Amino acid sequence: DAGITQSPRYKITETGRQVTLMCHQTWSHSYMFWYRQDLGHGLRLIYYSAAADITDKGEVPDGYVVSRSKTENFPLTLESATRSQTSVYFCASSPWSTEAFFGQGTRLTVV
Amino acid sequence: AQTVTQSQPEMSVQEAETVTLSCTYDTSESDYYLFWYKQPPSRQMILVIRQEAYKQQNATENRFSVNFQKAAKSFSLKISDSQLGDAAMYFCAYRSAGYGNKLVFGAGTILRVKS
Repeated sequence: DAGITQSPRYKITETGRQVTLMCHQTWSHSYMFWYRQDLGHGLRLIYYSAAADITDKGEVPDGYVVSRSKTENFPLTLESATRSQTSVYFCASSPWSTEAFFGQGTRLTVV
Repeated sequence: AQTVTQSQPEMSVQEAETVTLSCTYDTSESDYYLFWYKQPPSRQMILVIRQEAYKQQNATENRFSVNFQKAAKSFSLKISDSQLGDAAMYFCAYRSAGYGNKLVFGAGTILRVKS
């Protein structure tokens, strides 16, 4: 399917577990982003990537790890999940400086 | 660092009326892009309108238009002839035109449309 796809759509995990959220785009966009959405905070940038093997921290990177070995994939890993990481996570991609296109979001609950 | 501020957590409008959502941003750059995104209850992020900072003319997309005031660093969204389907969360966003440019969002404004 063309576009940007996140998986899973819903995830429940336990405190302390490692969990990986997947993001795949078919447009060969240079940029990819990970955001978390919490009530009252809008979308906060976790990490972003300007190209394969190039990643940079956003506003709230602590507790998260990313990698981008291929242009089309940008997984986000929570190394040891905490309850404060319960959120809706969005992946997005874009060409150079234009608008970003978003995935459907992943609702993550840490219990 | 660039910041985006949406000072209206929630707005209401009567169906068929006009409403304006406010957004201000802080940047020292001269070349950038501004966006308004809509997020309905489905959670999908939908681009509403885009404005390039080097263009003086305000962007328009059907019932949606912006008032871009570069000197004041203001970027408001006007929705004309409001419809029930316009009810959503609206986010203002900023993006530098340079390399390594992040896309930064405001906290959002919930728009309610009354029939």
